[in-house]
Amino acid sequence: LAKTTQPISMDSYEGQEVNITCSHNNIATNDYITWYQQFPSQGPRFIIQGYKTKVTNEVASLFIPADRKSSTLSLPRVSLSDTAVYYCLEDGGATNKLIFGTGTLLAVQP
Amino acid sequence: DSGVTQTPKHLITATGQRVTLRCSPRSGDLSVYWYQQSLDQGLQFLIHYYNGEERAKGNILERFSAQQFPDLHSELNLSSLELGDSALYFCASSVGITSSTDTQYFGPGTRLTVL
Repeated sequence: LAKTTQPISMDSYEGQEVNITCSHNNIATNDYITWYQQFPSQGPRFIIQGYKTKVTNEVASLFIPADRKSSTLSLPRVSLSDTAVYYCLEDGGATNKLIFGTGTLLAVQP
Repeated sequence: DSGVTQTPKHLITATGQRVTLRCSPRSGDLSVYWYQQSLDQGLQFLIHYYNGEERAKGNILERFSAQQFPDLHSELNLSSLELGDSALYFCASSVGITSSTDTQYFGPGTRLTVL
């Protein structure tokens, strides 16, 4: 299966903007890109989803370039409570394809 | 609280045994997805059911099976367990038939330990 790669870890400080990128070298035409947040011993929680260009909601922005070979999750002004693992997901919907990235551990320092 | 419930929270069993994990989706959700999360394989999609019908299969072993009942709860059956099956098993639910434009809500997971 295609690999969806992310940096293993990132460090940041409170109040900074954090950008986490995922590569989608084998993304299919019908695939959407979704990002999830996961805290220890909890299930993943939906953050944002998009197909191309830019999507923004109350907690994050998602940037997807025209070739869709990557996606970038942007978290504005992170806080300590944003320390978690962040996963990207290539979601082929009705196909058999639901491929999670390798996950990025974001550590936010005071 | 996502509204998705999973039981049991923890399960410890021996190799060769069979276990059943249960998932109750959020009220009104017709889709249930099962995932396995392990340290070496990460999050892997296993299987998707919509309104009682199997819709898609991912990396699900033949020793594993699932079903969704008329009341929409789902069970994941794992048999002939091996040490490598030790993992967190999550279910997620969503309203519609396709996850690509639908939000999936994950349960708290069942931690399976095979000794």
